[in-house]
Amino acid sequence: EAQVTQNPRYLITVTGKKLTVTCSQNMNHEYMSWYRQDPGLGLRQIYYSMNVEVTDKGDVPEGYKVSRKEKRNFPLILESPSPNQTSLYFCASSIASGTDTQYFGPGTRLTVL
Amino acid sequence: GQSLEQPSEVTAVEGAIVQINCTYQTSGFYGLSWYQQHDGGAPTFLSYNALDGLEETGRFSSFLSRSDSYGYLLLQELQMKDSASYFCAQVPGGYNKLIFGAGTRLAVHP
Repeated sequence: EAQVTQNPRYLITVTGKKLTVTCSQNMNHEYMSWYRQDPGLGLRQIYYSMNVEVTDKGDVPEGYKVSRKEKRNFPLILESPSPNQTSLYFCASSIASGTDTQYFGPGTRLTVL
Repeated sequence: GQSLEQPSEVTAVEGAIVQINCTYQTSGFYGLSWYQQHDGGAPTFLSYNALDGLEETGRFSSFLSRSDSYGYLLLQELQMKDSASYFCAQVPGGYNKLIFGAGTRLAVHP
């Protein structure tokens, strides 16, 4: 089954404790991206990747890191999480670009205390 | 910067037709997409307009007018299951990032 998976689905952590949210897709997609969703603000892109070793900032990259060492994986790293990073996070992938159909993962609800 | 404006909420009754507008200030972009998101779920793709005009997919249609800097999603024969949030999105010209509007919450009543 073609899908995008994220882990964990739920995470409660404390300020300053490094964490990684994994994202994997099995569709051989080139374009992958991370979004955060907050009430009233819609989906805001954090980082995106056009292909392996090619990443770039979205609209809200501060406080986040990403890497794309393999085509299928695109982890999101919070080196020192803060309470304002409490949010719902979605990973997505598409064939080649942002104009192509985006396939979203199920989401990760993160709470930073 | 680039931004897309949508109404925050729309209410309609079953069987009716509803139009959700999306206006933008971006002068150059690669087309307008629409996504649906039910409560507790992930966004799913609905439609994409690369060119001006109407795109029809079953009960849903999407329209784009670059000269008027707006697009809309038209939902016909509304059903209760259409109650969800709807987002427009675009890729600004010269960029590869994807920008979403804040979303329109549609409530369909019997």
